[in-house]
Amino acid sequence: DQQVKQNSPSLSVQEGRISILNCDYTNSMFDYFLWYKKYPAEGPTFLISISSIKDKNEDGRFTVFLNKSAKHLSLHIVPSQPGDSAVYFCAANTGGGADGLTFGKGTHLIIQP
Amino acid sequence: DAGVIQSPRHEVTEMGQEVTLRCKPISGHNSLFWYRQTMMRGLELLIYFNNNVPIDDSGMPEDRFSAKMPNASFSTLKIQPSEPRDSAVYFCASSPRGVRGYTFGSGTRLTVV
Repeated sequence: DQQVKQNSPSLSVQEGRISILNCDYTNSMFDYFLWYKKYPAEGPTFLISISSIKDKNEDGRFTVFLNKSAKHLSLHIVPSQPGDSAVYFCAANTGGGADGLTFGKGTHLIIQP
Repeated sequence: DAGVIQSPRHEVTEMGQEVTLRCKPISGHNSLFWYRQTMMRGLELLIYFNNNVPIDDSGMPEDRFSAKMPNASFSTLKIQPSEPRDSAVYFCASSPRGVRGYTFGSGTRLTVV
């Protein structure tokens, strides 16, 4: 049973345009959500996060939106750059951080010149 | 800081052999996590430790898998005996207690033939 779902295995976006990566979750106990970025042959690196008490968090070109009623979050990258080409994982956890993160399967973002 | 250090980076072994993966967390991080990444299941949490104590090992797939953390600077994940379906990338991650943005190591790519 996949509690965190990323339904798009891959996404291709033109350089300079907006990239939107989507994530859905089923566990209503999740209270914190994160996005990780992963390059080949490297471990995932933390990108941005959002608490369930907020609906938006912004960090430079990256913005995460949370819609609790729909159990949906999205990551917006504006403008998209070639270095953004990577696999993006959505993750969530409960219990104030007392337990481990549950990850989605990832979306491979390809930025085309 | 050297980050989370995992060894070896690559391991090829024959079915039935014992495999030991190693992890050195970031100094001062109280929590340590072992994840496994496969195409089919994505990133799965296997086990995590807080202050060297195993908290949740419900993700460990079988009794063939075991993990230890004898001190704050070292952890091992052992598979005995190994099977071809154990082939995956195994990641170790650490974080300060209660911080939900983990730092991942570069992973160990395990191939069991």
